Amino acid sequence: AQTVTQSQPEMSVQEAETVTLSCTYDTSENNYYLFWYKQPPSRQMILVIRQEAYKQQNATENRFSVNFQKAAKSFSLKISDSQLGDTAMYFCALKSNFGNEKLTFGTGTRLTIIP
Amino acid sequence: EADIYQTPRYLVIGTGKKITLECSQTMGHDKMYWYQQDPGMELHLIHYSYGVNSTEKGDLSSESTVSRIRTEHFPLTLESARPSHTSQYLCASSEFYGYTFGSGTRLTVV
Repeated sequence: AQTVTQSQPEMSVQEAETVTLSCTYDTSENNYYLFWYKQPPSRQMILVIRQEAYKQQNATENRFSVNFQKAAKSFSLKISDSQLGDTAMYFCALKSNFGNEKLTFGTGTRLTIIP
Repeated sequence: EADIYQTPRYLVIGTGKKITLECSQTMGHDKMYWYQQDPGMELHLIHYSYGVNSTEKGDLSSESTVSRIRTEHFPLTLESARPSHTSQYLCASSEFYGYTFGSGTRLTVV
């Protein structure tokens, strides 16, 4: 069974600062994808960043980057120069490349950017 | 702009009513999913489909049913709504590299 753990239910940070959200996971597979999704209040789930497990290089998308530690099964998200629009629930998720390819989600981190 | 559409966006309905939540995607994806998101924001897979005429139950037991007669359409039906069905329902479709989500349907059963 796959599990995803987000140990920070809530975080807040001043605008323009950097914040790191933590995620650990467990899977018996060697080939999988990891994701960070953002869900603003009352709005749809948006993909922030994606990491393929077989790639050692950490993924980066503009102000968003990950620290992927495969051996430790850790996948943290760093948001640089945080903006008010970054306020949202952030979900870490794991996708198997076999079977139904379902997404297994963590319980989420509610991030608030303070003006 | 989303390529996966859910309607209605919000629904308030009385106990015992039959409801269908619509989900359509224009991307030609074979795999589609329904997730239920509880008030604490946790997401649970309730149904999925590999393609036309394929439907499977997910990890969380649900009294809802789904159908997949066309690739683009994956509706979810509750035959008799109850207050315990109050939740947000998210539809998604996937390709190999990831998922695309709809905007969700927030269902309230009174």
